[in-house]
Amino acid sequence: VQLVESGGGVVQAGRSLRLSCAASGFTFNNYILHWVRQAPGKGLEWLALLSHDESRKSLKGSLIGRFTISRDDLKNTLYLQMNGLKIEDTAMYYCARDREGGSLDYWGRGTLVTVSS
Amino acid sequence: SYVLTQPPSVSVAPGETATITCGGDYIGTEMVHWYQQRPGQAPVLVIYFINDRPSGIPERFSGSNSENTATLTISGVEAGDEADYYCQVWDSSRDYWVFGGGTKLTVL
Repeated sequence: VQLVESGGGVVQAGRSLRLSCAASGFTFNNYILHWVRQAPGKGLEWLALLSHDESRKSLKGSLIGRFTISRDDLKNTLYLQMNGLKIEDTAMYYCARDREGGSLDYWGRGTLVTVSS
Repeated sequence: SYVLTQPPSVSVAPGETATITCGGDYIGTEMVHWYQQRPGQAPVLVIYFINDRPSGIPERFSGSNSENTATLTISGVEAGDEADYYCQVWDSSRDYWVFGGGTKLTVL
């Protein structure tokens, strides 16, 4: 099982970024996937989850209107579209696989997003 | 919103037992999961469903849960166990995943 995030970088406040998470080593459309972030020196913050058929989709309330989670099961890729970025969105962004039952059994190494003023 | 409370830090000597708590309202009714995060690395699941271990996680790691406190216990602590540890539950009322604030385990 491998999850590889990409798309991070340095971006000005107010701009947009789309993060990707490429999955391999398992049947992608059998699993719910999540985005979790970690600001520098801070703890883990759950952001969003999405099932393969979008029957289950949840986004942290404070992000509604700015962030969108999506996936392409043909490309085995999870996405996080982030608009109107703020300084406080600066963080390492991880994707993770839901083991079923609510635990996250595999994580990517993360992609760093830095929002500058 | 559901809040999980962890002590910021726990220190223990090598070979001793480390106990990391996770407090939450009625957490005893929840499935609690625990993650280890070493510096500069991604989190790793160490305990799921309160007290199950993924393959590759030593038996030294165990979990328990009762009333308002869940506990991660690491027996025979080793230097390599030094890391941040996070508890996590599913908030079913909003379909959110909730993490505790994390506990830094220092091996003296």
